[in-house]
Amino acid sequence: NAGVTQTPKFRILKIGQSMTLQCTQDMNHNYMYWYRQDPGMGLKLIYYSVGAGITDKGEVPNGYNVSRSTTEDFPLRLELAAPSQTSVYFCASSTAGVGANEKLFFGSGTQLSVL
Amino acid sequence: QKEVEQNSGPLSVPEGAIASLNCTYSDRGSQSFFWYRQYSGKSPELIMSIYSNGDKEDGRFTAQLNKASQYVSLLIRDSQPSDSATYLCAVSSGGSYIPTFGRGTSLIVHP
Repeated sequence: NAGVTQTPKFRILKIGQSMTLQCTQDMNHNYMYWYRQDPGMGLKLIYYSVGAGITDKGEVPNGYNVSRSTTEDFPLRLELAAPSQTSVYFCASSTAGVGANEKLFFGSGTQLSVL
Repeated sequence: QKEVEQNSGPLSVPEGAIASLNCTYSDRGSQSFFWYRQYSGKSPELIMSIYSNGDKEDGRFTAQLNKASQYVSLLIRDSQPSDSATYLCAVSSGGSYIPTFGRGTSLIVHP
């Protein structure tokens, strides 16, 4: 049982480059999320999805795009990378709406540096 | 803007003591409250959730919720060095399933 799988684990980008962070889950969860975590800070929501074909902005969406063509996959696209996007990125899925208890399952994270 | 506030710490306690972690939130419509533990370099993992006023106990962990005061806390009894981690408080509004996280409190349990 893989849970939430994120790739890559580490990446260094040059300013202005683009990349896609991959996220896939095998738990058939409808809700998926992308968070970023800066040093000493909590998790800031970038985008979320409540099901295939439905996405919405979170607290810090600028500079990012997402798509959700299947229940399993929720890739995050960075266009024109900037140093301010240096962070650790976490993908998560949730048991939201299934039973009484919500729980987020997190991927192992992607450490991204933009230089 | 919904806010979740935590003291960043570090909170240092001796082994065997009770660690008390606190969290306040701004949205009075919040219905779901969570504590996640995050070890250094790792992803967060859920350790407690609470939905009603009062206390909820699970092993050495007790979550306390006071909606009138917009306050939620986590008590860790008989603290162990393995409890050393950052504890993230998260809050979501009823039915939204979109949790807002605090910045986390770093806990250090020293032998």
